[in-house]
Amino acid sequence: GAGVSQSPRYKVAKRGQDVALRCDPISGHVSLFWYQQALGQGPEFLTYFQNEAQLDKSGLPSDRFFAERPEGSVSTLKIQRTQQEDSAVYLCASSKTGGETQYFGPGTRLLVL
Amino acid sequence: AQRVTQPEKLLSVFKGAPVELKCNYSYSGSPELFWYVQYSRQRLQLLLRHISRESIKGFTADLNKGETSFHLKKPFAQEEDSAMYYCALRETSGSRLTFGEGTQLTVNP
Repeated sequence: GAGVSQSPRYKVAKRGQDVALRCDPISGHVSLFWYQQALGQGPEFLTYFQNEAQLDKSGLPSDRFFAERPEGSVSTLKIQRTQQEDSAVYLCASSKTGGETQYFGPGTRLLVL
Repeated sequence: AQRVTQPEKLLSVFKGAPVELKCNYSYSGSPELFWYVQYSRQRLQLLLRHISRESIKGFTADLNKGETSFHLKKPFAQEEDSAMYYCALRETSGSRLTFGEGTQLTVNP
C-alpha cells in the first residue's frame, strides 16, 4: 500500500516568506508526528496529533510554527516569516496508534535564503 | 529530560568484518529503544526495536539497562549495510521519539 507522502519535496523560500508543508499519512493511521532534521543532526520532535487533536506541541521552536490536522487525516505544517535557521528537512510520520511503529515520509527539504 | 548519544558520527569497516554501532541513553524510566536506518536516497525506516528481540538483516541489539546502552551489532558486515543509522528512544508514557545524531556506516569491499 501507499506509504506516507509529503509535498513539496523541496522548497526554497526567501527570508520572511510563509511556507506550508503537507503530509498525507497512511490511510487509517490515527497518530501523526512532525520532526525537524537539521543538517548533520538526528530528527527532532515538533508536534503530535491523535486524529484531529494536537496532543503535544512542545517541540515547536517558536510561535511562527503552526500545525493542523482538521479532519484527522492530512496535516499541514506552516511556518510564518521564515528565517534562515528554519532551513532543514521536515519529516512526517504516522502510526496506527501512538504506541505503534512510526512510518516516515520522504521529507520536505526547506531552504531559506 | 531524555537523551540519546551515538558517539561515532562515522564508522568504516571492511566487508565480512564485525560491526558495532554504539548507542547510550539517559532516561529515568523504562524506555523503548529503536534502531532506524536510512539508505541512500530512501526514507527513514525501522530496523528493529528492543521489545521484539529479533534479528533483522543479521543485526541484533540488546538493551543493557545497567549500562543504559542499546548497541547495534552484526557479525559479518555487507556492502549493502552502508547507510545512516539512528538510535531512538520512546518514553513508555509518551509517543514522541528522541533520536541520536546518527552514525554513518560505510562497508568497504
